[in-house]
Amino acid sequence: AQSVTQLDSQVPVFEEAPVELRCNYSSSVSVYLFWYVQYPNQGLQLLLKYLSGSTLVKGINGFEAEFNKSQTSFHLRKPSVHISDTAEYFCAVSGLNDMRFGAGTRLTVKP
Amino acid sequence: SAVISQKPSRDICQRGTSLTIQCQVDSQVTMMFWYRQQPGQSLTLIATANQGSEATYESGFVIDKFPISRPNLTFSTLTVSNMSPEDSSIYLCSAGKGTGTEAFFGQGTRLTVV
Repeated sequence: AQSVTQLDSQVPVFEEAPVELRCNYSSSVSVYLFWYVQYPNQGLQLLLKYLSGSTLVKGINGFEAEFNKSQTSFHLRKPSVHISDTAEYFCAVSGLNDMRFGAGTRLTVKP
Repeated sequence: SAVISQKPSRDICQRGTSLTIQCQVDSQVTMMFWYRQQPGQSLTLIATANQGSEATYESGFVIDKFPISRPNLTFSTLTVSNMSPEDSSIYLCSAGKGTGTEAFFGQGTRLTVV
């Protein structure tokens, strides 16, 4: 079975600063990795995904993530955040028949 | 992509009653999932619903409490039975088109049990 660990429950940053949200996974099979964002009182929206190929994947809103198999990590990064990036971010891993989520990281961007 | 419609969007229910949540997808999907999300918490997988077979429940969730139907490739229901205040949560329907594909989410059903 696969699982996901998000190492930071809350990440406060100032506007225009870079940010990294950390995610580690474990799985006994080939994995597919995802980052989702959830804005207040809204559903989940896909930011980006890694299925195969290039380990650096780019997503919407200027986010990118790097798949590192040796470190079993899939950290999310953005070089310059905006106030509007304030949200909950979930890392997820998908195996054969399900998708499991990490505990989430609350990103708060301050002016 | 897939667009998921979930009904009702919210409800307030009396303890001891049951509520059935409907999930409609605008295209055929292989896998459908039901999650529960407590306020400020992550998503906990309740069960995976595959068309033509019994739902597969995660540890801590049982069919008698959360019966699921999956009559075709575009529709599923989750029933929360014999509700108690502890069942108050957001219930999310999700769908995927196969292994390794992203999951799409409905807007969720916000359930309050009084």
